[in-house]
Amino acid sequence: QSVLTQPPSVSAAPGEKVTISCSGSSSNIGDNRVSWYQHLPGTAPKLLIYDNDKRPSGIPDRFSGSKSGTSATLGINGLQAGDEADYSCGTWDSSLSGYVFGDATKVTVL
Amino acid sequence: QLHESGPGLVRPSDTLSLTCNVSGDSFSSGSYYWAWVRQAPGRRLEWLASIYYTGKTYYSPSLKNRLTISADVAENLFSLSLSSVTAADTALYHCVRVVRPYNCFDPWGQGILVTVSS
Repeated sequence: QSVLTQPPSVSAAPGEKVTISCSGSSSNIGDNRVSWYQHLPGTAPKLLIYDNDKRPSGIPDRFSGSKSGTSATLGINGLQAGDEADYSCGTWDSSLSGYVFGDATKVTVL
Repeated sequence: QLHESGPGLVRPSDTLSLTCNVSGDSFSSGSYYWAWVRQAPGRRLEWLASIYYTGKTYYSPSLKNRLTISADVAENLFSLSLSSVTAADTALYHCVRVVRPYNCFDPWGQGILVTVSS
């Protein structure tokens, strides 16, 4: 069980919006920057969001991030078939003195 | 870019050794750490260790007794060794650049699949 809790799966139709939550504690999300990663099994993960809500260059603005207290959220607007993937949140945990990832959330486009 | 190399098969109780070649970046840039992350089949991403160009290292608390991360700044590469491997260490191992001060992982190497089996 990860210290960061994500839902196992979310789904929506093309064009709709999904949100993925990442719940932690004061020693991780509450005290540190959150990043979000998109990955498919066996492939290199891709950074989608860093510093809670910033998008790297090349990431479409359909992807958004937010943080409040000890929780973070990834939003995907205008869902596309190509968005079907696993999504993981990650942050430093000051108590563990280590970087932690959530259990990935699988996004399915119906 | 980052590119992992190492054996695809390791015997139980042996030491796994992996190398990451860094190209297009200066390993000695103070803007980055360099890290290893793995993903076992059906499991979450797991951070293993990070190293700064000064030699400062950080290890996963659950694996630190078995891990060593090192770097060759002149050759622009860093390495990971994991001792006393078991089947639970079978995973896709990625080397990654960690961007300061955001502590975000970007980019990732494609990964190398390591299987622990006799």
